[in-house]
Amino acid sequence: EVQVVESGGGLVRPGGSLRLSCAASGFDVSSNFMSWVRQTPEKGLEWLAVIHSGDGTYYADSVKDRFTISRDNSKNTLYLQMNSLKVEDTAVYYCARVPGLQYYFDYWGQGALVTVSS
Amino acid sequence: ILMTQSPATLSVSPGERAALSCRASHNVNSNLAWYQQKPGQAPRLLIYGASTRVTGIPARFSGSGSGTEFTLTFSSLQSEDFAVYYCQQYNDWPLTFGGGTKVEIK
Repeated sequence: EVQVVESGGGLVRPGGSLRLSCAASGFDVSSNFMSWVRQTPEKGLEWLAVIHSGDGTYYADSVKDRFTISRDNSKNTLYLQMNSLKVEDTAVYYCARVPGLQYYFDYWGQGALVTVSS
Repeated sequence: ILMTQSPATLSVSPGERAALSCRASHNVNSNLAWYQQKPGQAPRLLIYGASTRVTGIPARFSGSGSGTEFTLTFSSLQSEDFAVYYCQQYNDWPLTFGGGTKVEIK
C-alpha cells in the first residue's frame, strides 16, 4: 500500500528553521517525483517544491532561496528544510507523490502543522 | 496561471446532479486535476487529464473541458460527496490550485 507520513511540524519563531520529513512506504522515493504543498485558510493550497527522480529541483518563488527539498533514498524519506521562516509560512504542509511527468499529486500525507509565531 | 472556481459554495440535496466550474486565466490544455478534501483530511485525487478518473473513483464523478474552461460533474450526489473540491493546473510553472468549491447539504 502506498503511504506517505509527514513529521517534524511544530512552533518556531520568525527567522527560525525547521525540517519536515516525509516517510514513504509502498514505493521508492528515489524513482519518483515528489513534492511539497501547503495549505492555509487564507491562501488555500499552494505548491512549494518538487524534486525529480534525477535530483533536479524546482521551487515556487515564495520559498525559493529559503526552502530546500531533498531526499534520503536509504531511508526512503523526503525532506523540506525551511529557513528564515516568516509568520506567513504558518500552514499545514503536505508531501505528495507526483506520478511521473504529469505534475498532479496522486498520494498525499496527512499533513504537518507548522506555526511561525513569536 | 490563476485558477478560479465557482461557485464558492454549492448547496445540493442528496441524489441531485451538480456541476462545479474551474476557469484558468491561460490555456492549460487538458493538464488539469480535481481533488476532494474532507475536514481534517488531505486532498484526494479524483480526476487527472481533465477527464480521466482515478481507479476506484465512482463513475458518478466526471470531468470535462480543455483550454480554460473545466467542469466537475456529479450525476447524483451521495452523502459521502459533501466536501471541498479543488482544481489544479499542471500545464505551466508554478503549479496552481483553484480556491475551492464547498459542496454542502441543502
